[in-house]
Amino acid sequence: DAMVIQNPRYQVTQFGKPVTLSCSQTLNHNVMYWYQQKSSQAPKLLFHYYDKDFNNEADTPDNFQSRRPNTSFCFLDIRSPGLGDAAMYLCATSERGNYGYTFGSGTRLTVV
Amino acid sequence: AQSVAQPEDQVNVAEGNPLTVKCTYSVSGNPYLFWYVQYPNRGLQFLLKYITGDNLVKGSYGFEAEFNKSQTSFHLKKPSALVSDSALYFCASRDTGFQKLVFGTGTRLLVSP
Repeated sequence: DAMVIQNPRYQVTQFGKPVTLSCSQTLNHNVMYWYQQKSSQAPKLLFHYYDKDFNNEADTPDNFQSRRPNTSFCFLDIRSPGLGDAAMYLCATSERGNYGYTFGSGTRLTVV
Repeated sequence: AQSVAQPEDQVNVAEGNPLTVKCTYSVSGNPYLFWYVQYPNRGLQFLLKYITGDNLVKGSYGFEAEFNKSQTSFHLKKPSALVSDSALYFCASRDTGFQKLVFGTGTRLLVSP
């Protein structure tokens, strides 16, 4: 089945130690998103890619970066994780002009 | 700017009873509205969407939603709740500028046996 896969499901990192979360898709969708969701709150968009065009939300901290080396993969880099960055990180895809969004299972990040 | 509101933090219903989870929207132009469900430590699962057409939208797992333009609402409904429906439910709208989804604050549904 075509899907969005996030690895790992659970990630523990040390305070201040860079961490990378990954997302891959087999849907060949041209738009990919990263959302941050804290303790059952609404998911908050961090940034999205339309093909290789990167779109950062105005309030996304500089500590968060993203890379999309090809259509299938997208990475979320947190340069210096703080305790406040502990959250569920959700990757999603869509096809521009379509109205469907597909979410991955998420990566729960713990900062110790 | 698009926004959706979910006025209830939690909804409690007994198994077998009908359930309603409320959502109101504020959008410019045509609204594109969605419902997602989230189980603990999982991603978001799509339930249904309204783009255009019939005001009553049928979705996954027996859920449906009614689009009401005059009341700017898009309430999620199910005729007979199951204990397994207990989860966190999010209403969302699609931003007309980009394709990003804007989510409501979520409603926790608890279905008691």
